[in-house]
Amino acid sequence: QSVLTQPPSASGTPGQRVPISCSGSSSNIGTYYVYWYQQLPGTAPRLLIYRNDQRPSGVPDRFSGSKSGTSASLAISGLRSEDEADYYCAAWDDSLSGVVFGGGTKLTVL
Amino acid sequence: QVQLVESGGGVVQPGGSLRLSCAASGFTFSSYGMHWVRQAPGKGLEWVAFIRYDGSNKYYADSVKGRFTISRDNSKNTLYLQMSSLRVEDTAIYYCAKDPRPTVATITGWFDPWGQGTLVTVSS
Repeated sequence: QSVLTQPPSASGTPGQRVPISCSGSSSNIGTYYVYWYQQLPGTAPRLLIYRNDQRPSGVPDRFSGSKSGTSASLAISGLRSEDEADYYCAAWDDSLSGVVFGGGTKLTVL
Repeated sequence: QVQLVESGGGVVQPGGSLRLSCAASGFTFSSYGMHWVRQAPGKGLEWVAFIRYDGSNKYYADSVKGRFTISRDNSKNTLYLQMSSLRVEDTAIYYCAKDPRPTVATITGWFDPWGQGTLVTVSS
């Protein structure tokens, strides 16, 4: 079991908006920034969102992040076939004194 | 541009040792903390270790503490992970990743960019 909880799968049709949740606790998301990563099939992860809601240069504004209390969310709007990938959330955890990841959400574009 | 290239992966027997390397280029290596993150086949991501930009502090996941050692040679722009007492459950792709904040001592979940990874297989 991962410390951060994500749904194992999500899906949507092209053009739709799809949210992906990440649930934690006061020792991680409740206190620290959340980060999101995209992993396309057979490739290394890449940073998608940093410090809860900031997009690195080169990441389309279709991707957005938010945080409230001990939960965070990644939203993908205007869904495209190339968005089909695994998505992971991450945060520092005080209790474990380490970085924790969510179990990952596999996004399927129908 | 920033580039991280891992090497040193391979097949090793349980109880054995292996040293991974990560060659960095395109940035001032000595100014940035570095991480190792791993991914077991078909599984999610797991943070392994972090080393401060000057090598003065090191942090490990409980799952590898006492068995793995992270180090760096700033004169060679290279990060290392010495793995010993390897177990079957250490089988994974090992990625090195850069902390994008210069000269900081704290750890977050911020990794950017990542290398392409090197596969370590622990099997008899």
